[in-house]
Amino acid sequence: AQSVTQLDSQVPVFEEAPVELRCNYSSSVSVYLFWYVQYPNQGLQLLLKYLSGSTLVESINGFEAEFNKSQTSFHLRKPSVHISDTAEYFCAVQKAAGNKLTFGGGTRVLVKP
Amino acid sequence: NAGVTQTPKFQVLKTGQSMTLQCAQDMNHEYMSWYRQDPGMGLRLIHYSVGAGITDQGEVPNGYNVSRSTTEDFPLRLLSAAPSQTSVYFCASKTLAGAYTDTQYFGPGTRLTVL
Repeated sequence: AQSVTQLDSQVPVFEEAPVELRCNYSSSVSVYLFWYVQYPNQGLQLLLKYLSGSTLVESINGFEAEFNKSQTSFHLRKPSVHISDTAEYFCAVQKAAGNKLTFGGGTRVLVKP
Repeated sequence: NAGVTQTPKFQVLKTGQSMTLQCAQDMNHEYMSWYRQDPGMGLRLIHYSVGAGITDQGEVPNGYNVSRSTTEDFPLRLLSAAPSQTSVYFCASKTLAGAYTDTQYFGPGTRLTVL
């Protein structure tokens, strides 16, 4: 079975500062990794994903995540956050040959002016 | 393309009442699933289906039933609601075919309160 640990439940950050959200996973088989974002009172939207190939993946709104197989991590970073990045972020893992997603507990990001 | 739709958006039940949460998708996805979201616990899988007529249990199935009579619809039934089922429920769907289509699409959620 897979498991996901998001090491920070809340991350306050000032506008235009960098942010890093940490995600570690456990699995005995190859996995796909995902970051989802949930804006207040909304559903989940895919932010970015790693399936194979380059270990650094980027989103259209400036986030990036790096798959590190040796450290079993998939940390999410943004060099300069905006107020609109205030949301909850979920890391998730799926077996490469499977369908079920396993989620971490989520990290709430609060961007302060 | 409406994507994944869920109804109702909000629901209040009394303990012991039953109800059905509706989920529909118009993307012809084979795989559909139900999750519940509770603070600090992320999303946990309740039930899933890989196609019409095929369902299976996820991580937290107790107190919930599902059926899949069509590709488009995947309703979740609460047989006898309990306060522990107060949560936000999300439906999701994805295609089964191929690695590069492995994105799950989520509905907007149903916020359920059981008194």
